[in-house]
Amino acid sequence: DVKVTQSSRYLVKRTGEKVFLECVQDMDHENMFWYRQDPGLGLRLIYFSYDVKMKEKGDIPEGYSVSREKKERFSLILESASTNQTSMYLCASRLAGGNGEQYFGPGTRLTVT
Amino acid sequence: GQQLNQSPQSMFIQEGEDVSMNCTSSSIFNTWLWYKQDPGEGPVLLIALYKAGELTSNGRLTAQFGITRKDSFLNISASIPSDVGIYFCAGQDSGAGSYQLTFGKGTKLSVIP
Repeated sequence: DVKVTQSSRYLVKRTGEKVFLECVQDMDHENMFWYRQDPGLGLRLIYFSYDVKMKEKGDIPEGYSVSREKKERFSLILESASTNQTSMYLCASRLAGGNGEQYFGPGTRLTVT
Repeated sequence: GQQLNQSPQSMFIQEGEDVSMNCTSSSIFNTWLWYKQDPGEGPVLLIALYKAGELTSNGRLTAQFGITRKDSFLNISASIPSDVGIYFCAGQDSGAGSYQLTFGKGTKLSVIP
């Protein structure tokens, strides 16, 4: 079974802090994704990485950056957290060249005060 | 990014009843996926569909890939309380090198015992 883990389930940070969200997958997947999920807005893609050190912006990259130094790990960075970044953050991974199936982690509920 | 039209947005049903929900798109998809998300958790993949007309079951769940490739539906038979959650559809288009999924906004299912 694919396992995607996220470093924290719940996180509370102050405005202006630098925040790191970590995601690890154990299935040797090339592609990894970061989404945020907000009521009424659904899942929105922030960034994705199609391989190590490769990244592309999704639909809402502003205020975020990412890092993919190892295949199994994909980090989302909030350079200076703001209250409008309070959200549920979901990481997913996918086998490149596969049929599109993405496997999600359990999510990190981030609150910025 | 593009959103799928998923309906209904929410539904309340009696335990034991059957449930039906669907997604439509203006674009053709190569893959349709159905996920379930429990409160505070990440989405879990339920069923994946890969070709037009395909009908696939997973226990009490049945999903179909529409023959136009622009729609899909999910049926749940004989609902039970643990079916409560949000069900999402997602589609992957046929573009070369496409990595991304397009998600519906979800159907929130409540089961009355």
